[in-house]
Amino acid sequence: AQRVTQPEKLLSVFKGAPVELKCNYSYSGSPELFWYVQYSRQRLQLLLRHISRESIKGFTADLNKGETSFHLKKPFAQEEDSAMYYCALLETSGSRLTFGEGTQLTVNP
Amino acid sequence: GAGVSQTPSNKVTEKGKYVELRCDPISGHTALYWYRQSLGQGPEFLIYFQGTGAADDSGLPNDRFFAVRPEGSVSTLKIQRTERGDSAMYLCASSPVGGLGGYTFGSGTRLTVV
Repeated sequence: AQRVTQPEKLLSVFKGAPVELKCNYSYSGSPELFWYVQYSRQRLQLLLRHISRESIKGFTADLNKGETSFHLKKPFAQEEDSAMYYCALLETSGSRLTFGEGTQLTVNP
Repeated sequence: GAGVSQTPSNKVTEKGKYVELRCDPISGHTALYWYRQSLGQGPEFLIYFQGTGAADDSGLPNDRFFAVRPEGSVSTLKIQRTERGDSAMYLCASSPVGGLGGYTFGSGTRLTVV
């Protein structure tokens, strides 16, 4: 069965510092991975997809199949990045997203 | 509509009662999903609709939970004989076809069973 692990429940950095939110997965097929974000009092929303190879709000994530990881990175954190971040894996059939438990990122001034 | 709409936003019910939670997806989105999120946890899959039919209902925890989408648009999640352990945030999401483009989530229904 597929599984997504986010080892850090809480992560705190200072503004301007680099940030990395870790995500590891286990899946027997070819994974499609996502990062979702939930800002305070807002709904869960898509941040980025690995298939798009995009950078959103300065965040990037690289799929490393050898390490089964999909860590989210940003070189210079901003206070407005403070939020809950969820890593998620989409089954090959496209029917089900499996989420990690989430990492609460706090960026201090 | 402009986004995924869920009603009610909050629901408090007594143990043993029946509840219905409603989801109105983005117009034209054929795929609809229900998730449940307990405090401190990530969302957990419940059921997935493609059009009117439940393509995958393997996440429903037991037969007290049931969901319908009779016209391929609005969906209702129904919970019979509610238990305190059913208390959670229930999230609905929709997508055009499958999930490769990412889901659009509603703001959820907070269910509290007392």
